Amino acid sequence: DSGVTQTPKHLITATGQRVTLRCSPRSGDLSVYWYQQSLDQGLQFLIQYYNGEERAKGNILERFSAQQFPDLHSELNLSSLELGDSALYFCASSGPTSNEQFFGPGTRLTVL
Amino acid sequence: EDQVTQSPEALRLQEGESSSLNCSYTVSGLRGLFWYRQDPGKGPEFLFTLYSAGEEKEKERLKATLTKKESFLHITAPKPEDSATYLCAVRRSNDYKLSFGAGTTVTVRA
Repeated sequence: DSGVTQTPKHLITATGQRVTLRCSPRSGDLSVYWYQQSLDQGLQFLIQYYNGEERAKGNILERFSAQQFPDLHSELNLSSLELGDSALYFCASSGPTSNEQFFGPGTRLTVL
Repeated sequence: EDQVTQSPEALRLQEGESSSLNCSYTVSGLRGLFWYRQDPGKGPEFLFTLYSAGEEKEKERLKATLTKKESFLHITAPKPEDSATYLCAVRRSNDYKLSFGAGTTVTVRA
């Protein structure tokens, strides 16, 4: 158990819908990262937040957005969902002086 | 752009049959190279961080080494519970994201 929690574990929804994925980092970690893992793309970095501020952005679609709240939990919002958005979404966290990222168990999103 | 290439894609081993996985990388200003283990449907589990050429890290039956262009993960006398996908990732010095390879799926038969 990495100490990173994610909810829900599974999400099944329809095209065009909007969903919210939630992540709580390890105690004391200020950074939260979101990654997408699909069969054809592997693990891809989406976005990073540090202590409530956006710090880095990867290949995140405009339909996707994220935020980090004062209690340091983070939410990833996915809207206008398409079939191709079906994937595993992982959250990771790291400490203020740490290079290592610790991953949560993931949310499996299925878009029908 | 950072490139991380892992080989082989899949490795089938007999219990006790040692082997190595390769991770070749191209990155401008390596800040760290990371190895993770991932079981099906689970999140990646952190194994090692390597920072500079010549560095080695060990944990149980796993040993990771680093050169200027590649890293190896040696599995000594593997057991069935070592079956997993092993992921390699790099971090650039002026960046925070991890760039991952596609992984090597290891299957250890009893």
